[in-house]
Amino acid sequence: GEEVAQTPKHLVRGEGQKAKLYCAPIKGHSYVFWYQQVLKNEFKFLISFQNENVFDETGMPKERFSAKCLPNSPCSLEIQATKLEDSAVYFCASRPTAGAYEQYFGPGTRLTVT
Amino acid sequence: GQSLEQPSEVTAVEGAIVQINCTYQTSGFYGLSWYQQHDGGAPTFLSYNGLDGLEETGRFSSFLSRSDSYGYLLLQELQMKDSASYFCAVRDRGEKQAGTALIFGKGTTLSVSS
Repeated sequence: GEEVAQTPKHLVRGEGQKAKLYCAPIKGHSYVFWYQQVLKNEFKFLISFQNENVFDETGMPKERFSAKCLPNSPCSLEIQATKLEDSAVYFCASRPTAGAYEQYFGPGTRLTVT
Repeated sequence: GQSLEQPSEVTAVEGAIVQINCTYQTSGFYGLSWYQQHDGGAPTFLSYNGLDGLEETGRFSSFLSRSDSYGYLLLQELQMKDSASYFCAVRDRGEKQAGTALIFGKGTTLSVSS
């Protein structure tokens, strides 16, 4: 598609529960990024993929967060044992292979941990 | 460390001109971008400066001075719909590192009144 799609729009989890978020990048875009935005403030980078390969995971709290981008499937971000501090909007973005400087963002998934 | 500084809030009236400044400190530098975000929705790309100077796109212009590690976004003929948050962002690795994430500032909330 021509837009980055993210599901679900909202997700509510009790502390300690698992949360799984999905992202379908724009068709033909090779690079996928996950960002976390807390309280409409700055975006914290989590992880990026080049096709199905992890490119950069320096922002990921690896003990509880994991992510995948498998061929012919939406990308996913999974949080095991959610904490209150994980409450945020998680944005997925994609970027074409070459040329453009722009990252195309999806509408985000609002995760609320109670 | 890497950081971007921009004002937290700016207010203006319809028809006015407003400038949002951004200073950055990064280990490398490969361009300054600006994104607009309405009410926590998907950020949308506004402009990119890879070289020094002014880039103009309709009512919006963006400027970069690499020697001063400084840029700004200029919004002219302000309209109510321009009320949003504006984020400056940098890439600290080059074009070959296409999977490199953006590093964002904390955003400037622009309020336009009639």
